[in-house]
Amino acid sequence: AQSVAQPEDQVNVAEGNPLTVKCTYSVSGNPYLFWYVQYPNRGLQFLLKYITGDNLVKGSYGFEAEFNKSQTSFHLKKPSALVSDSALYFCAVKRDGQNFVFGPGTRLSVLP
Amino acid sequence: DSGVTQTPKHLITATGQRVTLRCSPRSGDLSVYWYQQSLDQGLQFLIQYYNGEERAKGNILERFSAQQFPDLHSELNLSSLELGDSALYFCASSVGTAGGAQYFGPGTRLLVL
Repeated sequence: AQSVAQPEDQVNVAEGNPLTVKCTYSVSGNPYLFWYVQYPNRGLQFLLKYITGDNLVKGSYGFEAEFNKSQTSFHLKKPSALVSDSALYFCAVKRDGQNFVFGPGTRLSVLP
Repeated sequence: DSGVTQTPKHLITATGQRVTLRCSPRSGDLSVYWYQQSLDQGLQFLIQYYNGEERAKGNILERFSAQQFPDLHSELNLSSLELGDSALYFCASSVGTAGGAQYFGPGTRLLVL
């Protein structure tokens, strides 16, 4: 069965500092990996995805994520955090023929 | 704006009642997914339709049902409502069923009193 773990419920970072939101997954075969962001009272917004190819994926709003097959991780990163990045972040995994499975979410707070 | 629309935005009803949530996918998207988001359960996949046919089922209760119509809009029917059904219900759409991203609607907030 597929599963996604986001080991940190909450990540706090100062504005201007780099941020990392961690995601590890468990799935057999080659997964499709996604990051979504949810702002208060809004639906989830797609940030980026990894299907195949370069392990470093660039997405919206300056975010990027690095796929690491040996560590089964797909951590979300941004070189310089903004207060407006404060939101709930979800990692998701999918395999062909399988449903999307979302992680529990990580709340990011960027402090001014 | 994702291009996915959901109505109504808010719904307040009583236990034992039945409600219908509606979703219109992005133009060109054939797949529609329904999710339930609650504080204690996180984001739970309920059901997926692709071009009018049920494609996958997740943690959907027997009291819940869904369908996708020929114009590709979808409805989620929740019946015999219980207090625990209070949650945010999201619809998402994607072009196909493989590795494409899902695009989420703004959600319907259901409160069962």
